[in-house]
This record gives sequence, C-alpha cells and structure tokens, in this order.
Amino acid sequence: DVKVTQSSRYLVKRTGEKVFLECVQDMDHENMFWYRQDPGLGLRLIYFSYDVKMKEKGDIPEGYSVSREKKERFSLILESASTNQTSMYLCASSSAGTGGVDEQFFGPGTRLTVL
Amino acid sequence: DAKTTQPNSMESNEEEPVHLPCNHSTISGTDYIHWYRQLPSQGPEYVIHGLTSNVNNRMASLAIAEDRKSSTLILHRATLRDAAVYYCISRRDNYGQNFVFGPGTRLSVLP
Repeated sequence: DVKVTQSSRYLVKRTGEKVFLECVQDMDHENMFWYRQDPGLGLRLIYFSYDVKMKEKGDIPEGYSVSREKKERFSLILESASTNQTSMYLCASSSAGTGGVDEQFFGPGTRLTVL
Repeated sequence: DAKTTQPNSMESNEEEPVHLPCNHSTISGTDYIHWYRQLPSQGPEYVIHGLTSNVNNRMASLAIAEDRKSSTLILHRATLRDAAVYYCISRRDNYGQNFVFGPGTRLSVLP
C-alpha cells in the first residue's frame, strides 16, 4: 500500500519558534510538494522539489524554506513561526512521468497552530 | 495557467447520480483536466483525469466538452462516503507536475 506519511497530525508551537514538518514517501517518487490549506482558499502550493537537493518556489513561499537531502524525505521549515502560519499543511508526491498526468499522492496533513 | 471555476456546494440524495461541473475556459491544448476529492480529515485523493475524450474508471466518469472549456465529473450512484470537497484542477503549463487547486465544490449526500 503506497504511502505518504507526515510526522505529526497536530502540532502547537509558539510565535518565533523554528518549526520542522517532515514528510516521507515510500513510492520512490521524484516529485514532492508542500501545500497549505485554509478555509475558503483551497490548497496553495508553498514549495516543490523535482529531485534531491532541488527546490522550486510555489505560490506562497514567503516565511518558509524546504530541504530535500534524500529522495524519500521532504521537510518544510518555518524559520520563525507566526500566527498567520496557523494552517493545515499537506505533503504530496508523484512520479516524474510525462504529460502532467501522474497522480499526486497526499499525506494525511499536519494541523499546525501557532500561538 | 488555466483557472477553473466550480460551484461552492452541491447536494445530492443517496443512490442518485451526481454531476459536478467545472469551467476552464482558458485551458491550453496540452493541459489535462484532473479531479481530486478530499474526504473529511484526510488529504486529497485522485479521482480521474482526461484530455479530450470522456473517461471512465471505477470511481467516476469524466465528460469533457468538445471545446474543452468545461467538464463534468459524474458519480453514477452517490453514497454517503462520497460526501467530500471535489477539486477540478488544471495543470500548470511550465511544470508538468504542479496543480493549481481552487476552493472546490463541497458535495453533501443526503440519506
């Protein structure tokens, strides 16, 4: 059974803390993605990666960074958490493929609250 | 990027067919149309995708207009488990794997 796992389902942090969200996939996928989901806004892409040590900015990268040191792991980092980063964070992966048809597999999400 | 437009919400009775519309009037010729759904407290999951022809799989059918400016996801017999937010997605031109998710359609299924 293919899987994308995220390190925590729920996380509570304080303003100014450094936060690490971890995502691991077991499908040997080249592509990995981080989204955030907020009510009424749908999913918004933060960062994505096509290969190890490679990263690209998505639509809302401000306040975030990422790390991909191994193919199966993609980390999202909040250098100094702020209350407006309270959100649901979703990780996804897909194989390289062609034509943009490859299915994205999502993790269960991490609900982050910044106090 | 091809922007998609969907109704905010729809309602259906259990065991009846459901037609979920999506407009994508600016879609380019090589962009695929993807549908995902998100069940409560879960990440999104793939439903179906297509380019020009209608598509069927075990979950749903996808009917694509001849001009490709709109499409319809068809659930043939809605069940309570089909209650979810359904996203119609366009593929971003420059990056084969990136999806632009809109707010989606929240489908309620009544027993």
